[in-house]
Order: sequence, then structure tokens, then C-alpha cells
Amino acid sequence: QKEVEQDPGPLSVPEGAIVSLNCTYSNSAFQYFMWYRQYSRKGPELLMYTYSSGNKEDGRFTAQVDKSSKYISLFIRDSQPSDSATYLCALFNSGGYQKVTFGTGTKLQVIP
Amino acid sequence: EAQVTQNPRYLITVTGKKLTVTCSQNMNHEYMSWYRQDPGLGLRQIYYSMNVEVTDKGDVPEGYKVSRKEKRNFPLILESPSPNQTSLYFCASSFGGSRIDTGELFFGEGSRLTVL
Repeated sequence: QKEVEQDPGPLSVPEGAIVSLNCTYSNSAFQYFMWYRQYSRKGPELLMYTYSSGNKEDGRFTAQVDKSSKYISLFIRDSQPSDSATYLCALFNSGGYQKVTFGTGTKLQVIP
Repeated sequence: EAQVTQNPRYLITVTGKKLTVTCSQNMNHEYMSWYRQDPGLGLRQIYYSMNVEVTDKGDVPEGYKVSRKEKRNFPLILESPSPNQTSLYFCASSFGGSRIDTGELFFGEGSRLTVL
């Protein structure tokens, strides 16, 4: 079983739609939960991170973590064409092996 | 500008011809790491370094070497490249002394390597 499972998509939505991106994980030791955004031909960049369970909002983006279900989500409201990118969930356990574990990424296209 | 710089960005080479991908960061980060990104497999860690002269294997270290002689540089060496090393490679760095604190990584723009 993979440590992190992420639906690869691709996901195609019209401009203005609400987008939901999700990951499940198996290791309950993960403490930090992140979403990275990767534009075509670019390196990933950190979009949001959350420590432990709960919600975190930043503008049109909301990250949600449910540690009891081992499920993390990223919601994008009022999606824009500039949101078209691959979104990678990432998990980290600061007490363990110094490695950030990434999902395989979901490719999102927002159509004008 | 704070950045991680990789070179070359694109490279086509042949089996067995040694090559080095350079990585340099100007943020005074102590932690640096190499990842490869393949379709369906995502980002997999090759090697990482907690500090100068301290390196360790990641998940897929076979066929690669690294060195960390200076804080800012972390080159990736392929001594005898093979076609299965055709991939997109990313260098990343992070804050932290003896450990990363939160998992926030700063990535370079990637190096696309093709081994024929």
C-alpha cells in the first residue's frame, strides 16, 4: 500500500467552479500536511500547510485535514484559469525520517 | 532573489556517459535534497543532506551519487547513466539545523534528463 494516494485526474472544470482535491494516507505519524502547486515546466511551490487536524483558509483556498480518517483536502473557490496546474499533497513527520512524502499529483485545468 | 538554481535544465546523453547536475541555493539553507519525478510515481527522494558533509540515501538512491562540500551546493552525479534514469529531476532546500521543522521545501525549476 502506498503511503499517500492521490487521484491523478486530470480534472477539468469551468471557470468559477469549486474544485475539491483529495489525498488519503496510511501513516498516522504524519503531523504536517501540505499542498504544493506545480505549473507546467516549473518546480513545485508550497501553497498551503496545516499542522494536525482542522481547516485553514487563505483567500480562495481552504485546506482541510481529518486525521481520524487519514484524509486531506484542498478546496478552491471561484476557480480561475491561472489555477490550472498540478496539485501535490505532501505529508511530513518532524519526529521521524527527514523526508517529505508526496502524492502523485492531480492535474487541474480551469477552462475560461 | 531567493532561489534554487539547477543546471542544465535539459540534457540528452547516452548510456554510460558520466554527468553531473548542479544545484545551488542562495537562502543559507542547511537541508538540501534531490527528487526525481516520473508519471504515475510522483516525486521520489533520491538523496538528502542535513548539512555540509552530511548526506544520506532517500528512497531511490541506486545509480546516483551526491556530495555536499559547501552549504550552498549539492550536485547530483550519475556515474554511468542508464535509460531508466530518464526523468525530471528537482533539487530542493529547506530551513532547519539538525532537522526540517515543517516540511516546507523550496524547489528548483527542474532538470529534464534523457538517457539514450
